[in-house]
Amino acid sequence: EDKVVQSPLSLVVHEGDTVTLNCSYEVTNFRSLLWYKQEKKAPTFLFMLTSSGIEKKSGRLSSILDKKELFSILNITATQTGDSAVYLCAVEKGDKLIFGTGTRLQVFP
Amino acid sequence: NAGVMQNPRHLVRRRGQEARLRCSPMKGHSHVYWYRQLPEEGLKFMVYLQKENIIDESGMPKERFSAEFPKEGPSILRIQQVVRGDSAAYFCASSPQGRAEAFFGQGTRLTVV
Repeated sequence: EDKVVQSPLSLVVHEGDTVTLNCSYEVTNFRSLLWYKQEKKAPTFLFMLTSSGIEKKSGRLSSILDKKELFSILNITATQTGDSAVYLCAVEKGDKLIFGTGTRLQVFP
Repeated sequence: NAGVMQNPRHLVRRRGQEARLRCSPMKGHSHVYWYRQLPEEGLKFMVYLQKENIIDESGMPKERFSAEFPKEGPSILRIQQVVRGDSAAYFCASSPQGRAEAFFGQGTRLTVV
């Protein structure tokens, strides 16, 4: 059975800390891996990764995929309170996304 | 360019009633996906539609649930004879070319009492 597992389930940090969120997967017919940020409303797209070892970067966020070991990480440096959200990892399989349960990040001032 | 629009945002139904959830995709998008998010769980794929066609409904419960995306108008997710276990957030996403980099709506939170 296909599965996407995220860890940790939740994380509490102070502003300025750096965090690493993990996503491992076992999905047949893998096409890509995506990261979303969800703040009590619509998940908003962060990154799409298709190739191993190529880091994608957007401001303080970056992500990388390892297709051999079947995992991805999402890094957030110099965290801010506005980064507080649930971060979702999803694997594209065919015409659908298979989501993990998310990592809840809380950033305190 | 408005995003994906879902309505209503919140819907309360009594057990046994019908729930109709609407989704208007982004302009120019002809691919629509429905996902369900149960409390403390990740989003689960339900159905993928293009205009007038159901492409993949492998995630839809076999009974009481149906979806359509007519030539004109929004996509509709219909749940007949709702039960408490149907309480969840239902998200719609759209994309222009059927790839996963889809844009999500704000969701409809269904509560069955």
